[in-house]
Amino acid sequence: DTAVSQTPKYLVTQMGNDKSIKCEQNLGHDTMYWYKQDSKKFLKIMFSYNNKELIINETVPNRFSPKSPDKAHLNLHINSLELGDSAVYFCASSPNRGGRYNEQFFGPGTRLTVL
Amino acid sequence: AQSVTQLGSHVSVSEGALVLLRCNYSSSVPPYLFWYVQYPNQGLQLLLKYTTGATLVKGINGFEAEFKKSETSFHLTKPSAHMSDAAEYFCAVSRGVSGSARQLTFGSGTQLTVLP
Repeated sequence: DTAVSQTPKYLVTQMGNDKSIKCEQNLGHDTMYWYKQDSKKFLKIMFSYNNKELIINETVPNRFSPKSPDKAHLNLHINSLELGDSAVYFCASSPNRGGRYNEQFFGPGTRLTVL
Repeated sequence: AQSVTQLGSHVSVSEGALVLLRCNYSSSVPPYLFWYVQYPNQGLQLLLKYTTGATLVKGINGFEAEFKKSETSFHLTKPSAHMSDAAEYFCAVSRGVSGSARQLTFGSGTQLTVLP
């Protein structure tokens, strides 16, 4: 079973479109994250939710809106896509307790290409 | 504030040779430190972590790292490189944010190439 899954794996779209990326974890974790990896492979936190509550909101354009319908899902919606949004987006989750509570488990990534 | 510096964006070693990937951190609180590996077109996989206790930590695939507070370093080593070790390696430092959530700050990554 895949622990942290993302759909789609690849997303190619035109500038100005609106798109969503979905993330699901079956690990029973309470905290989920979105990261952006740019073309130089630099990884930066975007958002984090803990039990459906937004707790990290880095300097991200408000065209990006995360939504957590329940603690196993954290989706990322992007409005009015721009060329600079092209990147790989990673979802991650972490447990709130136990010996691995400070570890983050990553999904396979979604490669977004904006044309 | 916290930050991570990885010296050397590209490292090449011969198969069987020692692997040394360098990481220095800056943190205003005692750090939690991590090494992640990313294989092509895949997500990140945890190699090892340091939180408290023993400063020499062992991870998967024969990797280990030593936390040196006086040098603010957490270098990753492996005695003998294997072709399958070729990947991108990320050092990261984390801090508590709210409740149990932790924010990871990553270094810029080191691409390891293993030559036959």
